[in-house]
Amino acid sequence: DIVMTQSPLSLPVTPGEPASISCRSSQSLLHVDEYNYLDWYLQKPGQSPQLLIYLGSIRASGVPDRFSGSGSGTDFTLRISRVEAEDVGVYFCMQALEIPPAFGQGTKLEIK
Amino acid sequence: QITLKESGPTLVKPTQTLTLTCTFSGFSLSTSGVGVGWIRQPPGKALEWLALIYWDDDKRYSPSLKSRLTVSKDTSKNQVLFTMNNMDPMDTATYYCAHSTTTGQGLFDYWGQGTLVTVSS
Repeated sequence: DIVMTQSPLSLPVTPGEPASISCRSSQSLLHVDEYNYLDWYLQKPGQSPQLLIYLGSIRASGVPDRFSGSGSGTDFTLRISRVEAEDVGVYFCMQALEIPPAFGQGTKLEIK
Repeated sequence: QITLKESGPTLVKPTQTLTLTCTFSGFSLSTSGVGVGWIRQPPGKALEWLALIYWDDDKRYSPSLKSRLTVSKDTSKNQVLFTMNNMDPMDTATYYCAHSTTTGQGLFDYWGQGTLVTVSS
């Protein structure tokens, strides 16, 4: 099974500043169709997770363009260009290449 | 729009069987490429995928929990049933159902609100 590892696990950020979360998979998530099957989810406090990014870099509908995803193979990054108060919560990466899907441990973003 | 909602008991005793229902709207589980997944989250911990059922009745389970899980669908009622037997206090978690597609555009693009299940005698 593919194992997902995120870092850092805690991320205090000043509003307006950028933030970056790393996600590493134990196997390549690059499919023969040349897409990386890596999703990012945000779980805001008291809410269900919501899809932010799919196929490594494509923003889901309604996701602000301050969020971006990058990476390929086994190393991926979620970036927030300028953090806002509404961005607090736990960010999870998840491999969607094969069954069983696997989530990272989560990165808790908080406002300084 | 797509919505999902989990329902079932909030408290189960150890060794009992948990049965949850996911009632959804805005899509059909008879449409090619569509599925419903189950994911859980123990308090303060990470998400864990449990099961997936597809439009063609293909079912996939977490290898570590496979012997305890069953999913089924009732397409006419827009419902998916999830059962987990031999419940243990370690199974205390919020259980989510989620809409899934095989298009690659996000494995779980819509989630239910979740239901907290506590396992205790």
